[in-house]
Amino acid sequence: AQSVTQPDIHITVSEGASLELRCNYSYGATPYLFWYVQSPGQGLQLLLKYFSGDTLVQGIKGFEAEFKRSQSSFNLRKPSVHWSDAAEYFCAVSEADKLIFGTGTRLQVFP
Amino acid sequence: EADIYQTPRYLVIGTGKKITLECSQTMGHDKMYWYQQDPGMELHLIHYSYGVNSTEKGDLSSESTVSRIRTEHFPLTLESARPSHTSQYLCASSRDKDFTDTQYFGPGTRLTVL
Repeated sequence: AQSVTQPDIHITVSEGASLELRCNYSYGATPYLFWYVQSPGQGLQLLLKYFSGDTLVQGIKGFEAEFKRSQSSFNLRKPSVHWSDAAEYFCAVSEADKLIFGTGTRLQVFP
Repeated sequence: EADIYQTPRYLVIGTGKKITLECSQTMGHDKMYWYQQDPGMELHLIHYSYGVNSTEKGDLSSESTVSRIRTEHFPLTLESARPSHTSQYLCASSRDKDFTDTQYFGPGTRLTVL
């Protein structure tokens, strides 16, 4: 069975600093990968997704992610974090009829 | 902007009560899902539907049941609530029938069973 690991439970950054959230997956074939964001009291919103092609994927709100097959990783990045980016971030992989989610990384942003 | 709604947003109820969590979407999506989310844990798929009159169980066993009589409506019912059912329940929908399509999520229902 596939699995998704987000090693960082909680990350704190200063506003304006760069950000990288880690995601590792286990899957035999080429995976379909997703990053979702959940703001407090809200549902999940898709940031970006990777199916094939260019391994660097651009998403909404200035986020990007890079698929690295050799490392089984799909890390999310943003060059300059804004206070409104404080939220929970979930990485997910598609397996047949379902999405497998990681446990999430909570991002805290200090002014 | 996704048009998917869940009611109630918060529910506190006593053990043994029957409850129904409502989920509606106005996007005409065929596929709908229910996830259970506990703090610090991943989302677990508990039910999904490919369309009207279709319901499937997800990977997490759940005592809840669902129905899909109309495309836009996918309610979840617990016949007899227990404290172990305390959790957040998220509803989602997608246009296509496979998991590669974007899922749009509602704001969730936070259920507390006393």
